Amino acid sequence: DAGVIQSPRHEVTEMGQEVTLRCKPISGHDYLFWYRQTMMRGLELLIYFNNNVPIDDSGMPEDRFSAKMPNASFSTLKIQPSEPRDSAVYFCASSLISEYNEQFFGPGTRLTVL
Amino acid sequence: GESVGLHLPTLSVQEGDNSIINCAYSNSASDYFIWYKQESGKGPQFIIDIRSNMDKRQGQRVTVLLNKTVKHLSLQIAATQPGDSAVYFCAEKGNNNDMRFGAGTRLTVKP
Repeated sequence: DAGVIQSPRHEVTEMGQEVTLRCKPISGHDYLFWYRQTMMRGLELLIYFNNNVPIDDSGMPEDRFSAKMPNASFSTLKIQPSEPRDSAVYFCASSLISEYNEQFFGPGTRLTVL
Repeated sequence: GESVGLHLPTLSVQEGDNSIINCAYSNSASDYFIWYKQESGKGPQFIIDIRSNMDKRQGQRVTVLLNKTVKHLSLQIAATQPGDSAVYFCAEKGNNNDMRFGAGTRLTVKP
């Protein structure tokens, strides 16, 4: 199994541009999570899906952020318009439905907004 | 609100010594905890987990201890090796099956 796949691995963009981050979860996993990691705030849960349905998006910082999961094998996190304070590493993780849910993390996308 | 936090942001140990990383949690209803290891440039990786009906669980060179009375979790690494250098996070299962992560502790192993 290739694990959780994220693309791109690195993204550098200018303030005001739209950014789209992509994630392919592990096949058969029912949960998908998007996290943001910064030095100041650590690892923050942004949103997660269960069977492609958003369950909790209370961690999404503002309306500029949106996430979709059109099918079980693909999710996107979009920032429009991007701002320098959005610079961070964004992780996608997936897990199985179970009472105990080890999450498998992707390698992350390092986003830099100039 | 409820949160997970760590006592120490950094820990430095000699190679071969044992390491202990601590974590305090505030949600007394939490019934499942995980320790993750994050190496530089990589995503967090599962190390070991523990359910609230246990107070100790052992893996290969790692032991997790849970003290529900004081809401404290610890990770013990035996015979610490340079490859153990990383940031370690504790995480607790939230009410909606999500996991809430602590701030992390950076472990540095000196040769």
